[in-house]
Amino acid sequence: DTAVSQTPKYLVTQMGNDKSIKCEQNLGHDTMYWYKQDSKKFLKIMFSYNNKELIINETVPNRFSPKSPDKAHLNLHINSLELGDSAVYFCASSQDWGTVHTEAFFGQGTRLTVV
Amino acid sequence: AQSVTQLDSQVPVFEEAPVELRCNYSSSVSVYLFWYVQYPNQGLQLLLKYLSGSTLVESINGFEAEFNKSQTSFHLRKPSVHISDTAEYFCAVSDRGGATNKLIFGTGTLLAVQP
Repeated sequence: DTAVSQTPKYLVTQMGNDKSIKCEQNLGHDTMYWYKQDSKKFLKIMFSYNNKELIINETVPNRFSPKSPDKAHLNLHINSLELGDSAVYFCASSQDWGTVHTEAFFGQGTRLTVV
Repeated sequence: AQSVTQLDSQVPVFEEAPVELRCNYSSSVSVYLFWYVQYPNQGLQLLLKYLSGSTLVESINGFEAEFNKSQTSFHLRKPSVHISDTAEYFCAVSDRGGATNKLIFGTGTLLAVQP
């Protein structure tokens, strides 16, 4: 009964390809996030959605497009992958827009390697 | 804007020794404070948080952190560490007003417990 699940766990792909990472939460939360963790373990928010609506877009390149078909899912599609996109991508959720301070639940991460 | 500084990228310590992981933050508004732990090849888990009230907060596995407003610090301590505490520890803040409603993370501290 994983609370926040991401697929795939590992993704190796060539430069220029398009790939997607899927995220699902079964906590009934309204708010979901994508974070990027770089090779130095620095975590930075990329996007935040609340009830399927985009709330935060942290100057992420247009090649990254999040999609939220419903509030339990937040997928991340990446076009024209570059070497610098190699990182671990974490999905997270919190109960609602006003409760990030209570707790954010994180998925196990997707390690993306672009070769 | 908020920022979080974790000065120690790695803290080696022997089993059963005490440890302190340092965290300082910068913010022009009141904040909520968090410590998250990332075990190898896993996602982040909330360890403890300070929202209001007592400045000393504790986790179920023996960690504690103290909010010091004058020093803008939220250091994490444990009087006696175990091998199983080996992990990456991230300090994070979010603003109380909820204007940005996102977690700002430090760069993490690797706690390496040696037998």
